Formats: sequence, C-alpha cells, structure tokens
Amino acid sequence: EPEVTQTPSHQVTQMGQEVILRCVPISNHLYFYWYRQILGQKVEFLVSFYNNEISEKSEIFDDQFSVERPDGSNFTLKIRSTKLEDSAMYFCASSWTDWGETQYFGPGTRLLVL
Amino acid sequence: GESVGLHLPTLSVQEGDNSIINCAYSNSASDYFIWYKQESGKGPQFIIDIRSNMDKRQGQRVTVLLNKTVKHLSLQIAATQPGDSAVYFCAENKDTGNQFYFGTGTSLTVIP
Repeated sequence: EPEVTQTPSHQVTQMGQEVILRCVPISNHLYFYWYRQILGQKVEFLVSFYNNEISEKSEIFDDQFSVERPDGSNFTLKIRSTKLEDSAMYFCASSWTDWGETQYFGPGTRLLVL
Repeated sequence: GESVGLHLPTLSVQEGDNSIINCAYSNSASDYFIWYKQESGKGPQFIIDIRSNMDKRQGQRVTVLLNKTVKHLSLQIAATQPGDSAVYFCAENKDTGNQFYFGTGTSLTVIP
C-alpha cells in the first residue's frame, strides 16, 4: 500500500538554526499538507499546498515557515530560525483531492529545539 | 474560533467489549468529520468519515454517529481488540477549505 514517508525521523537543533523537514507524498496525490503536534497537545494544521502554491495556512504558519516542492516527489517544510516552542512532531500528509478527501499522514518528524 | 473537543481523555475497556468514544464540536458550519487512530510513534491513521448529510456510517467493526443538533460525534468500536489500543482523534472540516481541526484525543486502552 502506498504511504507518505518523512525524513528525518528525529532532528535536534539549536535555537536560531534553520531546519528543513522532508516528505515524500503518495505519488498520484495532488494536495499536500503539514501539521504539527506539540507533545501532549492536539494536531494543528499549518499549511496546505496545491499546484505549486500555498492554498491555505493557519496563523501558526508565519514568516519563519516556508514550504516547497522542489521536484516531482519531495515536499519540504523549512523553519528559518527555530525557536524553543517549535519543538513538536511535524506530520506531512497528502491527498488526491481537496475538500472532504481523506488525507494520508506520514509517520512524522520529531523536532527538538534546544 | 472553532474547537473540537473530547469528553474523556482516557478510556479502558475489556477485550471483546464495545467501545464508545465521544467528541463535541462547536462549529455548526463543519460538514465533514473524520475519526483518526494514532498509535504510539506513528502518524494519524484514517478510520472512518462522515458527511453532515448523514447521521450514521458503518465500517468494519466501527460506526460513527453524528448528531448535528447537539454537535456531537461518536465512534463505536465493536468487539474491541488489543490492537485497537491507541489515541483516537476526531477532526472537522468546512467545505470552504481543506483545514482540518483536531480534537485533543482520547486514549483507549484494551485490557486483555
């Protein structure tokens, strides 16, 4: 069964450093998403991406965040200058259509900012 | 703003019993709902969905009930198995976009 993959599984970084989280969505999906989950809290939507542009973003997704689909398979989330509060599990998801379609989630990248 | 919440943070059931996990949502404009299962160290996994034009939907061993009057969603798991032990989230969506709003989750423990 096709699945979303994410790398790395864990990342530790110093506050102020840039990190890039990588995702390979399911190959025939067209919509891509990033979510985060701070330890013990709910999953929170960050951004959705379609046709090489952001289609929606939440208030969490401020100027320090960016997303990119650099080639036909990867989907990345960049955090330019990490803060302690960015420590969380980051999930990538993809779907075939938008509204109402189920999203398939990757296993997540656990980011720890020191 | 929107909020999706769960009544009980933890639930323990005996293997073979039925489980019921509840969820309250506050946005009456939400018209699509999903239940996810999240096992330790993994991402959320789709279980079952329901649209607002329905009040019940059944899958394999799972049933979702939607009561729009009181904005309540429930997940029923029949003959609960040890492999069902996980955190269960409900999530809601409005047709104006593809943001999903998640609840905080209920941790289900199945006692063998």
